[in-house]
Amino acid sequence: KAGVTQTPRYLIKTRGQQVTLSCSPISGHRSVSWYQQTPGQGLQFLFEYFSETQRNKGNFPGRFSGRQFSNSRSEMNVSTLELGDSALYLCASTGGLSYNEQFFGPGTRLTVL
Amino acid sequence: AQKITQTQPGMFVQEKEAVTLDCTYDTSDPSYGLFWYKQPSSGEMIFLIYQGSYDQQNATEGRYSLNFQKARKSANLVISASQLGDSAMYFCAMRGGGATNKLIFGTGTLLAVQP
Repeated sequence: KAGVTQTPRYLIKTRGQQVTLSCSPISGHRSVSWYQQTPGQGLQFLFEYFSETQRNKGNFPGRFSGRQFSNSRSEMNVSTLELGDSALYLCASTGGLSYNEQFFGPGTRLTVL
Repeated sequence: AQKITQTQPGMFVQEKEAVTLDCTYDTSDPSYGLFWYKQPSSGEMIFLIYQGSYDQQNATEGRYSLNFQKARKSANLVISASQLGDSAMYFCAMRGGGATNKLIFGTGTLLAVQP
């Protein structure tokens, strides 16, 4: 069974640009969550999607948005990039709601210059 | 509000010895789940073990066990027979009650296994 995949693995952008990150969950999983990891703030929850609906949203500005498709693949978008958006973005795949195992992808490392 | 506290920024352990990584939590939810993840330098978060708040027994997964003390709100990870490959960052996380998979993470403990 394939694991969680995230593309691209690395990205370099400049301030003001926008970026789209993709996450493909484990086959059959319907829940995808996104996290931002930085040295200063640690791991912070961005949002969660279940069956194409946003279930929860973290405390991030509106520049951060996401969506989930009918095949459970999810994308997150960051518009008007700032230097502080440089981070490792991780997505997690879960079989359903409140399941016992959440599997993470390898992450996308975004650098904003 | 939910909170996870990991008070050990870094730890050393000798190969083949056991090590305990501390985690305390705070929540008002009667139903919650506790997770431990390992993050090597590559960045990927590797799921290690899960403990539900209503589980009567401590969770175990191979060399990993979770010392769950509900009254003290602690969920320490015990790694037995440490291996060099165990050197990594370890995160404790909590999922609250309700229909959510949102995890709250601690700040992590960097474990270094010495030969």
